[in-house]
Amino acid sequence: AQSVTQPDIHITVSEGASLELRCNYSYGATPYLFWYVQSPGQGLQLLLKYFSGDTLVQGIKGFEAEFKRSQSSFNLRKPSVHWSDAAEYFCAVGARNYGGSQGNLIFGKGTKLSVKP
Amino acid sequence: DADVTQTPRNRITKTGKRIMLECSQTKGHDRMYWYRQDPGLGLRLIYYSFDVKDINKGEISDGYSVSRQAQAKFSLSLESAIPNQTALYFCATSAGKETQYFGPGTRLLVL
Repeated sequence: AQSVTQPDIHITVSEGASLELRCNYSYGATPYLFWYVQSPGQGLQLLLKYFSGDTLVQGIKGFEAEFKRSQSSFNLRKPSVHWSDAAEYFCAVGARNYGGSQGNLIFGKGTKLSVKP
Repeated sequence: DADVTQTPRNRITKTGKRIMLECSQTKGHDRMYWYRQDPGLGLRLIYYSFDVKDINKGEISDGYSVSRQAQAKFSLSLESAIPNQTALYFCATSAGKETQYFGPGTRLLVL
């Protein structure tokens, strides 16, 4: 069965510092991979996604993520964090195979990011 | 206007009451989903629908029911609300297996 692990529940970084949020998945093949962000009191917004091709994907707001098949990881990075990046970040995995519940996403439990001035 | 709307945005109800949460979308997507979010648990799938005639249970469907009234409308009902159904509820849509787009959420408090 698919699963997603975000090992860090809460991370605090200083404004201007670099950021890496970890995501590990369990799936028998290459899945679809997503990162969503949820600002306080808001819904989820897609940051970026990986379906195939280049394993380094660029997203909105200066974020990028790298798919590493050997490590079953899809970590999210940003070179310089802004105070407005404070939010909760969710990694999600979707199955590629046809049939059954394909198209459904499995979400990690989220990582809350705090930004120090 | 937002592509995925949810009504109401906030709701307080009492134990045993029946309530309905509504979701509408203008994206033209076939697939619609209902999730609940609890602190520290992420999002969990309640029900999903791949088209008007297709309804499927998700991970945590007990105590919930849904209705797909049209391609653009997908409602979630709590037949007899209980306090542990207090949560943030999200509707989402997608075109096939692609990206899911989320509504703004409904915050539900069951007293």
